[in-house]
Amino acid sequence: GAVVSQHPSRVICKSGTSVKIECRSLDFQATTMFWYRQFPKQSLMLMATSNEGSKATYEQGVEKDKFLINHASLTLSTLTVTSAHPEDSSFYICSAQDRNTGELFFGEGSRLTVL
Amino acid sequence: QKEVEQNSGPLSVPEGAIASLNCTYSDRGSQSFFWYRQYSGKSPELIMSIYSNGDKEDGRFTAQLNKASQYVSLLIRDSQPSDSATYLCAVIAGRRALTFGSGTRLQVQP
Repeated sequence: GAVVSQHPSRVICKSGTSVKIECRSLDFQATTMFWYRQFPKQSLMLMATSNEGSKATYEQGVEKDKFLINHASLTLSTLTVTSAHPEDSSFYICSAQDRNTGELFFGEGSRLTVL
Repeated sequence: QKEVEQNSGPLSVPEGAIASLNCTYSDRGSQSFFWYRQYSGKSPELIMSIYSNGDKEDGRFTAQLNKASQYVSLLIRDSQPSDSATYLCAVIAGRRALTFGSGTRLQVQP
């Protein structure tokens, strides 16, 4: 089946640093990718919708200047957490939508820990 | 009111029994309905999708949708310990992205 690769799977960083997470569709093209955040024992919360070649659409309450999203190609979207703080520690998950079939596939997730 | 509501559980069933997971949603315009399974620390994996009223069966899994009642359920027959996980209900309305419920934790006792 289709595969979405997310990297890194785990990252630990110091408070104030920036972290970039990549989401890559390996065998299909994705015009739309979605970024979710999941805190422990909570559900996935949509952060933003990323469209290839255009600005991302952020959900209410998500700071676009803090969570920078770039979707420069049909197979790659990146999420950069800028000036990370401990409260940003979470499990970040991307999903990519196959432009031909409309199917959604999830990446493996990236666990961010900010010290 | 949450857009997608689930009982957080845990729902505990003995091995071999039927597990019944329920979900309600608030947006009557919802068109697509999904059940995902998520193991601790892992990404969700799709179990079932359902788009029209009625039942849809796939192996040990049966999804049931009732749009009039805004209700979708998942039945797991012959539950196995490996089925122990959190089950997430998700819906799509219009061109929006998946909206997830908070999940129901299922424990299958050997």
